[in-house]
Amino acid sequence: GDSVTQMEGPVTLSEEAFLTINCTYTATGYPSLFWYVQYPGEGLQLLLKATKADDKGSNKGFEATYRKETTSFHLEKGSVQVSDSAVYFCALKGSGGGADGLTFGKGTHLIIQP
Amino acid sequence: DTGVSQNPRHKITKRGQNVTFRCDPISEHNRLYWYRQTLGQGPEFLTYFQNEAQLEKSRLLSDRFSAERPKGSFSTLEIQRTEQGDSAMYLCASSSQSGANQPQHFGDGTRLSIL
Repeated sequence: GDSVTQMEGPVTLSEEAFLTINCTYTATGYPSLFWYVQYPGEGLQLLLKATKADDKGSNKGFEATYRKETTSFHLEKGSVQVSDSAVYFCALKGSGGGADGLTFGKGTHLIIQP
Repeated sequence: DTGVSQNPRHKITKRGQNVTFRCDPISEHNRLYWYRQTLGQGPEFLTYFQNEAQLEKSRLLSDRFSAERPKGSFSTLEIQRTEQGDSAMYLCASSSQSGANQPQHFGDGTRLSIL
């Protein structure tokens, strides 16, 4: 079945550092890929998405490119802020028949220190 | 857009009791999803509805679990004869239609604790 693997956290960075959170997936066909973020005490929020190979999703300074050849969707940000501290989830939605639900990774806890 | 609303936010109950959670999706969204999230894990898909029809159930949804969406608006998730392993955050999400370009919007969840 479909699966998503994320780098384990916590990831601790200093403010203004470059961020990469790795995400790889296993799925048949052409899934859609998403990054969700969960800030402390809040629900999951969609951060960005990409629906086909080589698409780049971007939002709030974060970017991720759908790489089919490496089955990856790594999240990047050039300069992180303390307010980016949160848990980040990579997820996919399969293109085949069956469940319409999302398959999530385990999440990566990001801590940004001033 | 008032967002997805879930009630209650927290539920504490004794093992063996029945519990029911409610989800009010974003109004015009015809798809509604239930997920379960345990500590340190990502959400796991349980079931989804298109309007009032329950179209898919995960193998995680044992026969003690039942979900309904009788009028195609709000949904309820009931767990009968709760067990320790049912302790988790139960998340509801909604989307406007099927298709990759319509993201799922999540509520804040109901946290269930089984004593």
